[in-house]
Amino acid sequence: QSVLTQPPSASGTPGQRVTISCSGSSSNIGSNYVYWYQALPGTAPKLLIYKNNQRPSGVPDRFSGSKSGTSASLAISGLRSEDEADYYCAAWDDSLSGRVFGGGTKLTVL
Amino acid sequence: EVQLVESGGGLVQPGGSLRLSCAVSGFTLSDHYMDWVRQAPGKGLEWVGRTRNKANSYTTDYAASVKGRFTISRDDSKNSLYLQMNSLKTEDTAVYYCARYTYGSEDYWGQGTLVTVSS
Repeated sequence: QSVLTQPPSASGTPGQRVTISCSGSSSNIGSNYVYWYQALPGTAPKLLIYKNNQRPSGVPDRFSGSKSGTSASLAISGLRSEDEADYYCAAWDDSLSGRVFGGGTKLTVL
Repeated sequence: EVQLVESGGGLVQPGGSLRLSCAVSGFTLSDHYMDWVRQAPGKGLEWVGRTRNKANSYTTDYAASVKGRFTISRDDSKNSLYLQMNSLKTEDTAVYYCARYTYGSEDYWGQGTLVTVSS
């Protein structure tokens, strides 16, 4: 059972906009930044969003992040087949004094 | 170019020990915090622990699931990070990743090394 809760799956057709949610608590998302990672099949995770809504260089602006209270969301617009991957949210948890991840959301592009 | 390469994974019996290594290049290891993160088969990511940089006295933090059994160390002169794993359990079976931690996020990851704990 992950500390951060994500839906196990999401899907969309090419060109659509999809959102992936991440729910936490006051000790993690509520008081710390949220980060998002993309893991393509068989590869190591890649940083997608940092500090709630910032994109590292090289990440397309089709990817955006937001946070409100103890929840966060990742939005992917103009969905492409190469976006098919697992997506994870993460945050620091003050109560656990550790990094916590969501269980991951498998995105399927139909 | 930043690169992280893990090694040392393999098959070990329950109760056994294993030491993972992570060779880094393309950045100054002593300047950075470093994390170990694992992924059990078919499961999500789980943070294992962290070592802070030289400026923060190389202090460490661990997940409750491994505290007291796993130890993170580093040798900046060899550009290497280590994860000593003792008293291994079947639930420690996972791909183990080392990752550079910068400004709140793991910004570069290795390719991972598989640890299988089984009799």
